[in-house]
Amino acid sequence: IAGITQAPTSQILAAGRRMTLRCTQDMRHNAMYWYRQDLGLGLRLIHYSNTAGTTGKGEVPDGYSVSRANTDDFPLTLASAVPSQTSVYFCASSESGGQTEAFFGQGTRLTVV
Amino acid sequence: GENVEQHPSTLSVQEGDSAVIKCTYSDSASNYFPWYKQELGKRPQLIIDIRSNVGEKKDQRIAVTLNKTAKHFSLHITETQPEDSAVYFCASRPAGGADGLTFGKGTHLIIQP
Repeated sequence: IAGITQAPTSQILAAGRRMTLRCTQDMRHNAMYWYRQDLGLGLRLIHYSNTAGTTGKGEVPDGYSVSRANTDDFPLTLASAVPSQTSVYFCASSESGGQTEAFFGQGTRLTVV
Repeated sequence: GENVEQHPSTLSVQEGDSAVIKCTYSDSASNYFPWYKQELGKRPQLIIDIRSNVGEKKDQRIAVTLNKTAKHFSLHITETQPEDSAVYFCASRPAGGADGLTFGKGTHLIIQP
């Protein structure tokens, strides 16, 4: 079944550790996004990529980095995790950056202790 | 950047009644307005969207209205059912849409039997 897949589904991480959240889509979508979801704050954009080889910063990029080496994969890296990065992380993709539906992965629940 | 305000944060209605959720946006260049439904522990899923060239769109029991002059849009659910209980998010994307969707903080809709 075509879609967007994230890994891991959940993780407990010690503060100061490095962590990469993986995201893969098989819909050949050009645009991909990373959001974090916190209670009462909704979904906030961390980083985005409009096409392979390009990335941009969203609303809350500090402490995170991304890469887009190919169309399918869009990993999110926390270089040195802090407790405030405890959140649910959603990867999403859309056909383009315009008036097109964004499809979400199942989410990664990350707890930094 | 874009700012999206969503009200109310919690809405409780009797089964069979209608529910209305309202959002305002700040960027007059925004031209795409999707609504997402998120059930507990699940990913957000698109339920309806509207583009700026129309004022209303319906899909069975769900409708969305857009007032570009006032910069607000609303979700209307008629004949509510228990399975409508979820968190609903509005979002907007400016023309060009290079940096993804900006989401409201969400409305927790509770359908009382």
